[in-house]
Amino acid sequence: GAVVSQHPSWVICKSGTSVKIECRSLDFQATTMFWYRQFPKQSLMLMATSNEGSKATYEQGVEKDKFLINHASLTLSTLTVTSAHPEDSSFYICSASHAGAGANVLTFGAGSRLTVL
Amino acid sequence: GENVEQHPSTLSVQEGDSAVIKCTYSDSASNYFPWYKQELGKRPQLIIDIRSNVGEKKDQRIAVTLNKTAKHFSLHITETQPEDSAVYFCAARRGNNAGNMLTFGGGTRLMVKP
Repeated sequence: GAVVSQHPSWVICKSGTSVKIECRSLDFQATTMFWYRQFPKQSLMLMATSNEGSKATYEQGVEKDKFLINHASLTLSTLTVTSAHPEDSSFYICSASHAGAGANVLTFGAGSRLTVL
Repeated sequence: GENVEQHPSTLSVQEGDSAVIKCTYSDSASNYFPWYKQELGKRPQLIIDIRSNVGEKKDQRIAVTLNKTAKHFSLHITETQPEDSAVYFCAARRGNNAGNMLTFGGGTRLMVKP
């Protein structure tokens, strides 16, 4: 089946540094990938839609200059958290749609747990 | 935009009993409704989905029902087992385009007591 690989699975960084998270579709091409943020015991909140070869579409309230998204190829999207602060600590999950049984099925990466000290 | 509400937020059942989780959605144009299971610290995994041209779908112990008129859909798990314990999310989407986003419900934490 379709696999979405996400790295790193966890990262600890100092306040003020930047962190890059990669999301790859391993056996299918993904023109669109989605980035979610999940706080403990809460639902998945869509941050942005990453479009291959064009600018990402950000949800209301998400700072595009802070959460940089690059979708340079049909199999790779990256999320860079710039100048990270403790409040950015969260679980970030990417996902991509692939055709399955007549509907585009969303498959998730394993997530990246970011802790900012 | 779409708004998906999910109830209950927590559900505790005895092993062997059934569990039902309900979701309502606001966008009448939504036509794809998946359910995801997320174990602690892991990625959400698709367990079943239904499209608007179908009223019910079943896969072994899991079934989903859809009422388009009332704009609600439900997940039914029969003969629950401890390994069913997880957080379950419903979602809704308009259209079948890969670029169309899913809107998730708030999640239900299911606990199956042995």
